[in-house]
Amino acid sequence: VIWMTQSPSLLSASTGDRVTISCRMSQGISSYLAWYQQKPGKAPELLIYAASTLQSGVPSRFSGSGSGTDFTLTISCLQSEDFATYYCQQYYSFPWTFGQGTKVEIK
Amino acid sequence: QVQLVQSGAEVKKPGASVKVSCKVSGYTLTELSMHWVRQAPGKGLEWMGGFDPEDGETIYAQKFQGRVTMTEDTSTDTAYMELSSLRSEDTAVYYCATDSKATLDAFDIWGQGTMVTVSS
Repeated sequence: VIWMTQSPSLLSASTGDRVTISCRMSQGISSYLAWYQQKPGKAPELLIYAASTLQSGVPSRFSGSGSGTDFTLTISCLQSEDFATYYCQQYYSFPWTFGQGTKVEIK
Repeated sequence: QVQLVQSGAEVKKPGASVKVSCKVSGYTLTELSMHWVRQAPGKGLEWMGGFDPEDGETIYAQKFQGRVTMTEDTSTDTAYMELSSLRSEDTAVYYCATDSKATLDAFDIWGQGTMVTVSS
């Protein structure tokens, strides 16, 4: 099983801030990593796949980087609609696993 | 455009079973690899299992082995997830999810979720 450590679990920020979320794997997963955004009462939405590829329709202020064991999601200029919970997910090997989640709240 | 439409909310007693459906439109089920993810109230996402096209088999998370069965009816393009021996900890929203072949296995298509409540 590949263990994932996502941090921080809670991030307080203001509109316009640059925020970074980290995801660390217990073993290398190449670039088989995705990032999702989830708002209350809704299904998750894909933001980034293959570690750094922006999903169609996702604003360019979102970016992903990393490979192997260390990955980062960056929101360059936080907007009001970005306050949500974010999850990383590895799909390199079964069982696929999700990070614990990062809630981005208004400071 | 792939869409996944799930069955409605369920309330079950401890020890019972629940079967959640996920109807595919826009693609045929045989073109997709369906997975199931659950989320307990206030908690994170948990992958339960899904289809591995390399082996042609369904893989289940160890935690659910022996209690979960994922099946497909290709005549109606409907996937099913059945969870047995329910306990209160199984209270959660259950999602079906898949990739539309454009996102290299990452889940770009999700069902709306089915709330399953386990209570005596």
